[in-house]
Amino acid sequence: GQNIDQPTEMTATEGAIVQINCTYQTSGFNGLFWYQQHAGEAPTFLSYNVLDGLEEKGRFSSFLSRSKGYSYLLLKELQMKDSASYLCAVRRYSGAGSYQLTFGKGTKLSVIP
Amino acid sequence: NAGVTQTPKFQVLKTGQSMTLQCAQDMNHEYMSWYRQDPGMGLRLIHYSVGAGITDQGEVPNGYNVSRSTTEDFPLRLLSAAPSQTSVYFCASSPLEGAFIPDEQFFGPGTRLTVL
Repeated sequence: GQNIDQPTEMTATEGAIVQINCTYQTSGFNGLFWYQQHAGEAPTFLSYNVLDGLEEKGRFSSFLSRSKGYSYLLLKELQMKDSASYLCAVRRYSGAGSYQLTFGKGTKLSVIP
Repeated sequence: NAGVTQTPKFQVLKTGQSMTLQCAQDMNHEYMSWYRQDPGMGLRLIHYSVGAGITDQGEVPNGYNVSRSTTEDFPLRLLSAAPSQTSVYFCASSPLEGAFIPDEQFFGPGTRLTVL
């Protein structure tokens, strides 16, 4: 089976930097995704890592270490609108061009003034 | 380009009733999936499809059926609703371009279902 762990809640100050960690155990690993979900809305794609290292996209960066089963999402220059849940998701290929995406329970980030 | 659409947005059912949640996408995506989201449980995969005529079970398929007769539509059927199926249901689609390509999933707005 698969196991994905991330903190339930985090609080950070506007303008600061916050790191949200995600650890996973899975077979057939084929990429790790981060999604953002504002309350009452659908998730939206933030980032994707399939090789080890850091992927940077504006104020958001995501890191992956496949050997450690570990990823983090780094948010810089926090803004109030960054208050949302951040979902870590692992893709596992099951052959014949098919895959499944398994989500962690999400980390609710509150940004305070 | 409407993306992924879901109907209805809200629904209240009585135990034992059946209904179909509709999902459609206009992006010509091969991969479509249904998730349910419950407090403290995260998104859990119910069923998914890699193309018309092909469906498979996810993590929590019991009590749900799906079919994929066209690329665009992927309805989810609740056969006999139970209070445990009270949840928010999201449909998603992605291009299915390859093993090392992001293939980000595009989510619909969700259906909020209550079973009494």
